[in-house]
Amino acid sequence: AQKVTQAQTEISVVEKEDVTLDCVYETRDTTYYLFWYKQPPSGELVFLIRRNSFDEQNEISGRYSWNFQKSTSSFNFTITASQVVDSAVYFCALSEAGSSNTGKLIFGQGTTLQVKP
Amino acid sequence: DAGVIQSPRHEVTEMGQEVTLRCKPISGHDYLFWYRQTMMRGLELLIYFNNNVPIDDSGMPEDRFSAKMPNASFSTLKIQPSEPRDSAVYFCASSLDRPTNNEQFFGPGTRLTVL
Repeated sequence: AQKVTQAQTEISVVEKEDVTLDCVYETRDTTYYLFWYKQPPSGELVFLIRRNSFDEQNEISGRYSWNFQKSTSSFNFTITASQVVDSAVYFCALSEAGSSNTGKLIFGQGTTLQVKP
Repeated sequence: DAGVIQSPRHEVTEMGQEVTLRCKPISGHDYLFWYRQTMMRGLELLIYFNNNVPIDDSGMPEDRFSAKMPNASFSTLKIQPSEPRDSAVYFCASSLDRPTNNEQFFGPGTRLTVL
């Protein structure tokens, strides 16, 4: 069965600190996709990144970076030099691509990040 | 494009009443999703459509919930009769292609309170 675990319920940092949000997933499929979404206080979920199971290259986008490691079934998200505007709930999600699956997203419980000035 | 549009943004109703939530997906998107977000259960998929046809409704909690998509630009999620435990934020999302590997665009959500 597919499952996404975000063990960190809440994280609080001071502005300019680096912070890593953990995501561990479970799947039996060899082909799958991993996602990160951000939910700011306004409530709307915003897509951040998608990664397929065959691409383990780390990705960097500005202050954001993602570390995908199949060996540990993890897809961690790091924010460098955090800013107050980064305060939000962050969700990791998994989608299996096997023929027996409809491909729906399974979300983790989310990590609430608070960045204090 | 205006993005995914949901109405109403807030709904307060009494137990036993019928509630209808509405969604307009992004034009050209073939997939539409309904999610429910609560503190206890997190973010869970209720149902999704492809080209107006329901593909996976395994997340619909019970017969009190129903969803329709009469055309490519409109969908409804109905709860009849509503119960206090239905109180949640309901999100509609759409995507251009299959949910497996495509970004979903979320609407602002409808905050439902059932008294």
